[in-house]
Amino acid sequence: QVQVVESGGGVVQPGGSLRLSCAASGFTLSNYGVYWVRQAPGKGLEWVAVMLSDGRRKYYEDSVKGRFTVSGDNSKNMLYLEMHSLRPEDTALYYCARDHEIWGRGTMVTVSS
Amino acid sequence: QPVLTQPPSSSASPGESARLTCTLSRDINVRSYNIYWYQQKPGSPPRYLLFYFSDSHKGQGSGVPSRFSGSKDASANTGILLISGVQSEDEADYYCMIWPSNTWVFGGGTKLTVL
Repeated sequence: QVQVVESGGGVVQPGGSLRLSCAASGFTLSNYGVYWVRQAPGKGLEWVAVMLSDGRRKYYEDSVKGRFTVSGDNSKNMLYLEMHSLRPEDTALYYCARDHEIWGRGTMVTVSS
Repeated sequence: QPVLTQPPSSSASPGESARLTCTLSRDINVRSYNIYWYQQKPGSPPRYLLFYFSDSHKGQGSGVPSRFSGSKDASANTGILLISGVQSEDEADYYCMIWPSNTWVFGGGTKLTVL
């Protein structure tokens, strides 16, 4: 079954760090662009970052540039979102998506003191 | 930065058609973009419905009923999601999205209420 599953969310203090994981099954993740999208409680969808299928090109939403980094581990068929200097406004459900079609159920990140 | 504007709410009675709009900001032309549509129900992730570029270039998501269809109104710089024969299960939030230059831009979403 083709799916992606996110993990790694949790509660962190402002200024803290977290690493989210996106595990793929049923396909090879490195053959696709993989996108991170977040949704703050009660709000709409916001694109966060992407790593394209070449594994080199990575793009970030302006508010996370310099704080978030996308990386991949082809041997594990995994993608990661490293988040540093977290702010309360980063609080959201973070989704991993394979191109536009396959989305996970998300992992919740709460930034609060 | 492109902006997609969706009405916050819409409503339709069962069996009617619902027409959800997604208006692109003036700096981008709807003729140039695939318009993607997602459905999201409470507690669930977004579900990909379809994309529409033109009548000859469009695609339906896996398992998405044909009563969901896309179109454009170029004169209004707007993408449209048409739901024919609305059913109670169609009550959800609907988001449009475009894909410029390796980034994704989402509209704010429309909450469809089935009366």
